[in-house]
Amino acid sequence: DAGVTQSPTHLIKTRGQQVTLRCSPKSGHDTVSWYQQALGQGPQFIFQYYEEEERQRGNFPDRFSGHQFPNYSSELNVNALWLGDSALYLCASSLVDRGYEQYFGPGTRLTVT
Amino acid sequence: DAKTTQPPSMDCAEGRAANLPCNHSTISGNEYVYWYRQIHSQGPQYIIHGLKNNETNEMASLIITEDRKSSTLILPHATLRDTAVYYCIVRGYTYMIYNQGGKLIFGQGTELSVKP
Repeated sequence: DAGVTQSPTHLIKTRGQQVTLRCSPKSGHDTVSWYQQALGQGPQFIFQYYEEEERQRGNFPDRFSGHQFPNYSSELNVNALWLGDSALYLCASSLVDRGYEQYFGPGTRLTVT
Repeated sequence: DAKTTQPPSMDCAEGRAANLPCNHSTISGNEYVYWYRQIHSQGPQYIIHGLKNNETNEMASLIITEDRKSSTLILPHATLRDTAVYYCIVRGYTYMIYNQGGKLIFGQGTELSVKP
């Protein structure tokens, strides 16, 4: 049973560019959440998708957007990258009625130069 | 949501029980206690959760005090692979995604070092 997978593993972008990160949820899961983790900090909630709609959003600017597809996979898009966007981006999946039992992927390490 | 307080770091000898405390004195009656851990260079891993009764699964035991103001995560026989940052999270009863549940709020956690 495949767990949560994310791609790419690492990414280097230049300030001002745009980036798309991808996530495939654990088999059977229907909800995807995205988190940003800066070095030495706990993960920070970005947003959550269920039934292809954004259900909740954390304190992140509109430069951060997402999408969920009919097969439950998801993308995180970040426009106009800042140096401060450098972080580990984590995707987590869950079932709609067990929202706090989330299964995390290994993350995508984004470096903005 | 209730605030949690955890010690920043702890050590434990391999094979001994690791007892990780969490204070959540402002917890309300419908809030659950969740524990996650994050091993270096990996995503967080769900461990266990509870409301007011003690809980046990294949990974750990969760002991919640009767007044629910604190809890302890117990790893009965710690191994080197249990070295990780452990997060205690208190969240409301609204765990249903379509009722805007499921937003995990991570603090700094406790860095557990299991030593040979």
